[in-house]
Amino acid sequence: SAVISQKPSRDICQRGTSLTIQCQVDSQVTMMFWYRQQPGQSLTLIATANQGSEATYESGFVIDKFPISRPNLTFSTLTVSNMSPEDSSIYLCSVHPGSWAQETQYFGPGTRLLVL
Amino acid sequence: DQQVKQNSPSLSVQEGRISILNCDYTNSMFDYFLWYKKYPAEGPTFLISISSIKDKNEDGRFTVFLNKSAKHLSLHIVPSQPGDSAVYFCAASITGANSKLTFGKGITLSVRP
Repeated sequence: SAVISQKPSRDICQRGTSLTIQCQVDSQVTMMFWYRQQPGQSLTLIATANQGSEATYESGFVIDKFPISRPNLTFSTLTVSNMSPEDSSIYLCSVHPGSWAQETQYFGPGTRLLVL
Repeated sequence: DQQVKQNSPSLSVQEGRISILNCDYTNSMFDYFLWYKKYPAEGPTFLISISSIKDKNEDGRFTVFLNKSAKHLSLHIVPSQPGDSAVYFCAASITGANSKLTFGKGITLSVRP
């Protein structure tokens, strides 16, 4: 499985500000994803980060609020824009290494965000 | 609409006994199922998976059973160990649908020494 790191591991932010979360993988991967886990909830897919093109967002998530970049096959960023306390969550990136892994995804350690 | 349901929020078992974690799904298009384990302050760790062409998959102490007619799967851990104490997430996907995973809310397993 791929080794995935995320920065920052946690942060406390003021409402109205923005935070960019980085995800780095130690090998080239086909697909990268961003999830959110709100307190007491399941993991919810925000978007699929597409290399070299715009991300594909799930219902309820928009690019203006969660802009995503993926400049190459090992790196992606997620920005949480104009934050409110409702954005307090764990944000996780995951990767799908390739066809051999069927649908298995591997997750980074997560970024714990608290918005005051 | 919760397509993957883990109706029991928590489970407590004695060390050495069997832990059975249940998961139900509603979307009959799901054909690949996964279990993840999550410790506090860490990301989910892939544990075991099963394709819909099988009804059982075993890996050491972990076995996943799939009952397609009932849209039900379960994870058995035998014997349970204190280190197994964690949150367990059930996830499902549709092969070819861009690898998207749909997760349940998780079950907190506590294994008592």
